[in-house]
Amino acid sequence: KQEVTQIPAALSVPEGENLVLNCSFTDSAIYNLQWFRQDPGKGLTSLLLIQSSQREQTSGRLNASLDKSSGRSTLYIAASQPGDSATYLCAAANQAGTALIFGKGTTLSVSS
Amino acid sequence: DVKVTQSSRYLVKRTGEKVFLECVQDMDHENMFWYRQDPGLGLRLIYFSYDVKMKEKGDIPEGYSVSREKKERFSLILESASTNQTSMYLCASGQDHINYGYTFGSGTRLTVV
Repeated sequence: KQEVTQIPAALSVPEGENLVLNCSFTDSAIYNLQWFRQDPGKGLTSLLLIQSSQREQTSGRLNASLDKSSGRSTLYIAASQPGDSATYLCAAANQAGTALIFGKGTTLSVSS
Repeated sequence: DVKVTQSSRYLVKRTGEKVFLECVQDMDHENMFWYRQDPGLGLRLIYFSYDVKMKEKGDIPEGYSVSREKKERFSLILESASTNQTSMYLCASGQDHINYGYTFGSGTRLTVV
């Protein structure tokens, strides 16, 4: 059964730092991996989707990579800002259309 | 953009009540999902549906049922609400063959007293 783990559970950085959030999964036969952002008390906002055939995806200051062989994905945030403070969740889909399996998230705090 | 709308942001219900949580998507998606989110436990799948009138149990279906009479609407039903069902409930939708990932609603914070 697929398991998704995110370490660390919480991270605090000063504004302007580049940072990396980690996500690992146990079954490398994933269909895709999706990164989400969640603000307190709110729903999930999709940030990036990486297909199993892709190595990375970029959107603005965000870059997500996927290494299926090692069972890892990373979310790189460049030049962090206080507005980036949120919980970041990664989720894997094992097959097309199947339910996402989530990690428990990394709560990021960026101080000004 | 796909829009997934959950009918209530906050809901307070009494123990034993029958509770309906509604979710509507506007992009003709086949697949719809209900999750609950709790501190320390993350998101857990309750039920999902691949088509109208079809439903599949997720990891924690006990105490819940679902209804999908129309493609755009997926309802989660708490047959007899209990305090341990106090949680954030999140609905999502997506397609099989168009791999744009899944879109989530804003969530419903349910408190059972």
